[in-house]
Amino acid sequence: GAGVSQSPRYKVAKRGQDVALRCDPISGHVSLFWYQQALGQGPEFLTYFQNEAQLDKSGLPSDRFFAERPEGSVSTLKIQRTQQEDSAVYLCASSARDSSTDTQYFGPGTRLTVL
Amino acid sequence: KQEVTQIPAALSVPEGENLVLNCSFTDSAIYNLQWFRQDPGKGLTSLLLIQSSQREQTSGRLNASLDKSSGRSTLYIAASQPGDSATYLCAVHPILTQGGSEKLVFGKGTKLTVN
Repeated sequence: GAGVSQSPRYKVAKRGQDVALRCDPISGHVSLFWYQQALGQGPEFLTYFQNEAQLDKSGLPSDRFFAERPEGSVSTLKIQRTQQEDSAVYLCASSARDSSTDTQYFGPGTRLTVL
Repeated sequence: KQEVTQIPAALSVPEGENLVLNCSFTDSAIYNLQWFRQDPGKGLTSLLLIQSSQREQTSGRLNASLDKSSGRSTLYIAASQPGDSATYLCAVHPILTQGGSEKLVFGKGTKLTVN
């Protein structure tokens, strides 16, 4: 594909349900990032992968959040026992190699609403 | 801890006006600074990336400057058009510290309306 894709685009969950959000990065991109964007705020870092290795998960807000990228391409962000404060847009981004010089390309996001 | 601030939070201008958006950051140890555009319900589109060794970057009607020592960047938009209406986000890429990662640190954005 031409860009980063995410699915679903919208997700409504009842409090306590588990959700899984998918990210398809640009083909061949080594680095993959997840960010959380609350309404009216800038994106905040959640976690970072280099290929299949999760090198930084310091931004995950609780142990209910889990991310994986088992084959170094597609990534899934899972949220267990969703809470209302988890409502946000979840953005995925990828970059080619060394993101200190490479642009991060963002997907359209998944808007999660927890009722 | 790196913090990014954007002023103003919202801006409304008539079509054709030139305008400046401001971004400040607290720690000058950065690889680069990026300006993004975000349309409602959409992901982020990278507009300009300025490496830490550069002073400015230009793309069409957009010009971004970087003064790393003072922790400031500006995005200048010439001859604004209604299609420029969007939220503009500034993000810095902090230099890696031990245990750090390749994450971007974002401001909250400036919502621009061109009438």
